[in-house]
Amino acid sequence: GAGVSQSPSNKVTEKGKDVELRCDPISGHTALYWYRQSLGQGLEFLIYFQGNSAPDKSGLPSDRFSAERTGGSVSTLTIQRTQQEDSAVYLCASSLGGSNGYTFGSGTRLTVV
Amino acid sequence: GNSVTQMEGPVTLSEEAFLTINCTYTATGYPSLFWYVQYPGEGLQLLLKATKADDKGSNKGFEATYRKETTSFHLEKGSVQVSDSAVYFCALNPSATDSWGKLQFGAGTQVVVTP
Repeated sequence: GAGVSQSPSNKVTEKGKDVELRCDPISGHTALYWYRQSLGQGLEFLIYFQGNSAPDKSGLPSDRFSAERTGGSVSTLTIQRTQQEDSAVYLCASSLGGSNGYTFGSGTRLTVV
Repeated sequence: GNSVTQMEGPVTLSEEAFLTINCTYTATGYPSLFWYVQYPGEGLQLLLKATKADDKGSNKGFEATYRKETTSFHLEKGSVQVSDSAVYFCALNPSATDSWGKLQFGAGTQVVVTP
């Protein structure tokens, strides 16, 4: 597609439920990144994919967080047993690498109640 | 380690005023530097970039020069408009040899431009 697409745009879930967030990167972008942006905070790196493998998953906050990417394209970020502190905007970006920078999606706003 | 420090906001100024947002960095190697902008309710957009020392990135009237001697990449615009109200993020890609590596972002600076 023309841009990075994320779905859903908004998600409200009850504490303890599992959620799945989806990212559809720009076609041909082999690198894909997940970040989290909490209210009033900067961007927190979560995980990075090169193709279908994740060379760097150092930012995942706990083992409740996992992510996968299939076919070198769509990625899913899964949060199990959600907690209120998981409430944030989850941003996905894709890149051709190098000095090209990232193209970000509009994000998924997750609210855990 | 690698880090980016940018001035805290909010920065409030009147239309047509001069804007400067300071950004300094710490990195090993030779990073690439970026400014991203996030308009209300939207995702981040790449505003400009510089890949080596003394490079000047520019876009939409904004400029930033990669200063290796002061490890800085300050963002400037000579005459801001209300539509420039947004959050601005400075970022670095730590190493030219690790071109796929994650970007390190600053905390963001909110800019509010009043008519």
